[in-house]
Amino acid sequence: KQEVTQIPAALSVPEGENLVLNCSFTDSAIYNLQWFRQDPGKGLTSLLLIQSSQREQTSGRLNASLDKSSGRSTLYIAASQPGDSATYLCAVSGGGADGLTFGKGTHLIIQP
Amino acid sequence: DTAVSQTPKYLVTQMGNDKSIKCEQNLGHDTMYWYKQDSKKFLKIMFSYNNKELIINETVPNRFSPKSPDKAHLNLHINSLELGDSAVYFCASSRGSGGSSYEQYFGPGTRLTVT
Repeated sequence: KQEVTQIPAALSVPEGENLVLNCSFTDSAIYNLQWFRQDPGKGLTSLLLIQSSQREQTSGRLNASLDKSSGRSTLYIAASQPGDSATYLCAVSGGGADGLTFGKGTHLIIQP
Repeated sequence: DTAVSQTPKYLVTQMGNDKSIKCEQNLGHDTMYWYKQDSKKFLKIMFSYNNKELIINETVPNRFSPKSPDKAHLNLHINSLELGDSAVYFCASSRGSGGSSYEQYFGPGTRLTVT
């Protein structure tokens, strides 16, 4: 059974810092990995999708890497801003599961 | 031009009632999903469905049933509501079949409160 773990569960940093969010998964037979953002009381916004054959994806200040063999992904946020404050969710497709298997998220606060 | 929409946004009802949540996608996707986000904010797949196959997560009670009138809609019917059904329910869609390599797009969620 696929399990996804995100570390840390919560993170608070001053504005302007670069930061890394971590995600690990137990079954490496995945199709892809998605990073989402969820604001309080809102839905999920897809940030980046990495296919299993890819090593990384970039969008603006965000960079996500994937090491499928070791079951790890990182989301790098450069020059953090208060507007980046949200919960970041990692999810994988495949690995013996139907639909996406989610981690419990990292609650990120960027202090102005 | 909303990609995945859900109605209602909020639903408050009493135990024992039967309710439905509607989902529509205008992306032309083949597969739709329902997810449940519990009080601890943990998201879990409930169903994946395309016109060929319904895949049900084994932990979902049979009081929950998805119904698809057409490819663009997947409604969630819940019978005999219980307090533990209180959660936020998200609809999603993607190209291809369940467990595929395509990106999933999520609706805004429906917050269900059972009293």
